[in-house]
Amino acid sequence: AQKVTQAQTEISVVEKEDVTLDCVYETRDTTYYLFWYKQPPSGELVFLIRRNSFDEQNEISGRYSWNFQKSTSSFNFTITASQVVDSAVYFCALSEVNFGNEKLTFGTGTRLTIIP
Amino acid sequence: EADIYQTPRYLVIGTGKKITLECSQTMGHDKMYWYQQDPGMELHLIHYSYGVNSTEKGDLSSESTVSRIRTEHFPLTLESARPSHTSQYLCASSLPLGLAGGTFFFGPGTRLTVL
Repeated sequence: AQKVTQAQTEISVVEKEDVTLDCVYETRDTTYYLFWYKQPPSGELVFLIRRNSFDEQNEISGRYSWNFQKSTSSFNFTITASQVVDSAVYFCALSEVNFGNEKLTFGTGTRLTIIP
Repeated sequence: EADIYQTPRYLVIGTGKKITLECSQTMGHDKMYWYQQDPGMELHLIHYSYGVNSTEKGDLSSESTVSRIRTEHFPLTLESARPSHTSQYLCASSLPLGLAGGTFFFGPGTRLTVL
């Protein structure tokens, strides 16, 4: 069975600081997808990134970067120079590629608060 | 950008009422899902569908039921609402494998309160 662990329940940092959100996953599949979603106070889930298990290249998008390490089953998310608008709950998620049966399993989320 | 809609956004009802939460998507996605999010933030899959006339129960047991008569529509029904059903309900649809890797797109959610 697949599992996603986000050990950090809540994080608070002062604006402009860098912050890293941790994500560790478990799966028996060799092919899978990892995701990060952002949930602002309005409640909707906003897709941030998808990474497949064969692509271990790190990715940068503006102030956001993701570090995927298969050796440690981790997919960490870093926000550089944080801003108040980054305050939200962030979810890491895993989808196994069991053809015809893929489902998305979420971690418990990390509530990030950026202090002005 | 995905187009997936949920109505109502907020609902406050009394115990024992029957309710239906609506979910529609305009992308023609075959796969659709319902997630329940408790106040502690955790998201749990309660129902999913892989196409018309296909419905399956998810990982978390739920007293709700779903139907999938049309590709674009995946409503969730509670026959008799109880306070324990108070939660946020999120609907999602996904692209097929091999096409953007099964990315899930979520609706804005329905926040249900049962008094």
